[in-house]
Amino acid sequence: EVQLLESGGGLIQPGGSLRLSCAASGFTSSSYALSWVRQAPGKGLEWVAVISGSGGVTFYANSVKGRFTLSRDNSKNMMYMEMNSLTAEDTATYFCARGATTVDPFDYWGQGTLVTVSS
Amino acid sequence: EIVVTQSPGTLSLSPGERATLSCRASQSARYILVAWYQQKPGQAPRLLIQDGSTRATGIPDRFSGSGSGTDFTLTISRLEPEDFAIYYCQQYGGSPPFIFGPGTKVELK
Repeated sequence: EVQLLESGGGLIQPGGSLRLSCAASGFTSSSYALSWVRQAPGKGLEWVAVISGSGGVTFYANSVKGRFTLSRDNSKNMMYMEMNSLTAEDTATYFCARGATTVDPFDYWGQGTLVTVSS
Repeated sequence: EIVVTQSPGTLSLSPGERATLSCRASQSARYILVAWYQQKPGQAPRLLIQDGSTRATGIPDRFSGSGSGTDFTLTISRLEPEDFAIYYCQQYGGSPPFIFGPGTKVELK
């Protein structure tokens, strides 16, 4: 069974940093791209970033470019997102999602981890 | 940058009725495709349709997608009680790779 499990969310002060993790299981993670999609409370979906199966290609939304960095460790079936210079606008539930490639839609999603940026 | 809009914002219907949801891109682009997702409260989104009209695995055939260019449609032929949810369209294949629309809420009339 394909599963994606996010972790690392929590309460963080403005200007702080946080690292989110996504644990993949039930499939060969290196064969799939993984994305982060966020959803602010009561709002719609916003794609944040994607990393290719090999980890060699990444794309970021303009809203996080230069502040967020994706990486993955396929030997551990893990993806990570380092988030720096956090602001209140980054407060959201962050979902990990799988796509066949970096430009394919998301066929499996995790349940999300909540990041709250507040003093 | 392409902007994706969805209409209506809210659709009030009864079980058994037909739902027609619209998704529009601000500009047409080659190789841009559309997917549709369903999201229920407290849950992750679920992929319904990809490539504009291909149902994802396990999706009932009352869900269908159509359209091309800048205008795309998701149709639910006969609403079941479990279909009341928010529906998002997503454009993909361009730059940036993914753009979500703001969503259409299908609510019980």
